[in-house]
Amino acid sequence: DIQMTQSPSSLSASIGDRVTITCRPSQDIDKYLNWYQQKPGKAPKVLIYAASSLLPGVPSRFSGSGSGTDFTLTISSLQPEDSATYYCQQTYSTPPWTFGQGTKVEIK
Amino acid sequence: EVQLVESGGVVVQPGGSLRLSCVVSGFTFDDYTMHWVRQAPGKGLEWVSLITWNGASTYYADSVKGRFTISRDNSKNSLYLEMNSLRNEDTAFYYCVKDHYHSSGWHWFDPWGQGTLVTVSS
Repeated sequence: DIQMTQSPSSLSASIGDRVTITCRPSQDIDKYLNWYQQKPGKAPKVLIYAASSLLPGVPSRFSGSGSGTDFTLTISSLQPEDSATYYCQQTYSTPPWTFGQGTKVEIK
Repeated sequence: EVQLVESGGVVVQPGGSLRLSCVVSGFTFDDYTMHWVRQAPGKGLEWVSLITWNGASTYYADSVKGRFTISRDNSKNSLYLEMNSLRNEDTAFYYCVKDHYHSSGWHWFDPWGQGTLVTVSS
């Protein structure tokens, strides 16, 4: 199975800061990488698919990049409503389609 | 509006069995692959199982293989998860999730139900 490693596991940043989260799969997954946002008590919501494609309605301050074994999610200017836990997920080849362990983003 | 509503989560003893259900509306159910994803309280997301649109193919996480069975009834717009030989570590919120497939080959999970809590405890 493909293991997904996210870093950091948590971070604290100020409003307006640029925030970067990294996701590294245990093998090459091309661009089969999604990013989700989960707020407390809520189900996850998909933000990005295919490593860098933003879903409709997702604010443009979110962006994704990478391919192979190195991916990043960037929030260009952190907003209060971005306080959440973010997960990467690989959907390469046949299941299992594994998630990273999550990165909790807090506002200072 | 697309809706996925899970039910069936209860407190069950280790070794026990349980069946979760998910009723969907707002989309053509039998066009889509469906998933179960779980999340232990305060922990991360774990993909559990997948079933293709017609039920012909199913996949499971190693942690549940041989104990859980995913199924669907397209006539009832319903997805199920039969859970046997339950363990303490199966305690989690279980989410019913629709697979979104892009023609270029990408899959993502959207939307998710609100989850149903399964607690395995003596």
